[in-house]
Amino acid sequence: GQQLNQSPQSMFIQEGEDVSMNCTSSSIFNTWLWYKQDPGEGPVLLIALYKAGELTSNGRLTAQFGITRKDSFLNISASIPSDVGIYFCAGRSGGSNYKLTFGKGTLLTVNP
Amino acid sequence: ETGVTQSPTHLIKTRGQQVTLRCSSQSGHNTVSWYQQALGQGPQFIFQYYREEENGRGNFPPRFSGLQFPNYSSELNVNALELDDSALYLCASSYDRGTDTQYFGPGTRLTVL
Repeated sequence: GQQLNQSPQSMFIQEGEDVSMNCTSSSIFNTWLWYKQDPGEGPVLLIALYKAGELTSNGRLTAQFGITRKDSFLNISASIPSDVGIYFCAGRSGGSNYKLTFGKGTLLTVNP
Repeated sequence: ETGVTQSPTHLIKTRGQQVTLRCSSQSGHNTVSWYQQALGQGPQFIFQYYREEENGRGNFPPRFSGLQFPNYSSELNVNALELDDSALYLCASSYDRGTDTQYFGPGTRLTVL
């Protein structure tokens, strides 16, 4: 099935550092979402974006909906150990199509 | 408010068998979506149910079928299991079919031997 191109695949960072990850698609999406998944859990929604160019924050997390509608970015500032997990982007094309298309995920490890 | 729950947590089956996975949606939610997450991959959309009707389907064969009940809980049935069906099966509920915010359950880990 279709998946979004998410990068990087994994990141090892020191506590306190900032993190950036991105997601690209060959198709246009009307909605971009960012999820975090901890081991043994389902994904948890972090940020939802609905408009091209939109920049939205949730605490130390900031995400942007790309102008082309084909990409999105997530930044985490001042990382802490509990940021460890897998981050997924997901897109929805809109209209009557309600399915979410996910990226393969970015595994984030934070060294204290 | 109760979150999304799934049962069982883990399941082991052999090739050719059939399996039923269950999902209870979050209170007030009428839409349930099912996803398959293979190891190291993102979730793949299987199908969505809205008010007891299938409301969209991903690229999965007919041996993947589902049901939604009047209380909006849902079942995923997989017939003639194959080794590649081994995965984490996630259910997500949302307030309405037009809502992008989907709340995921913890998943059912299915292993096919």
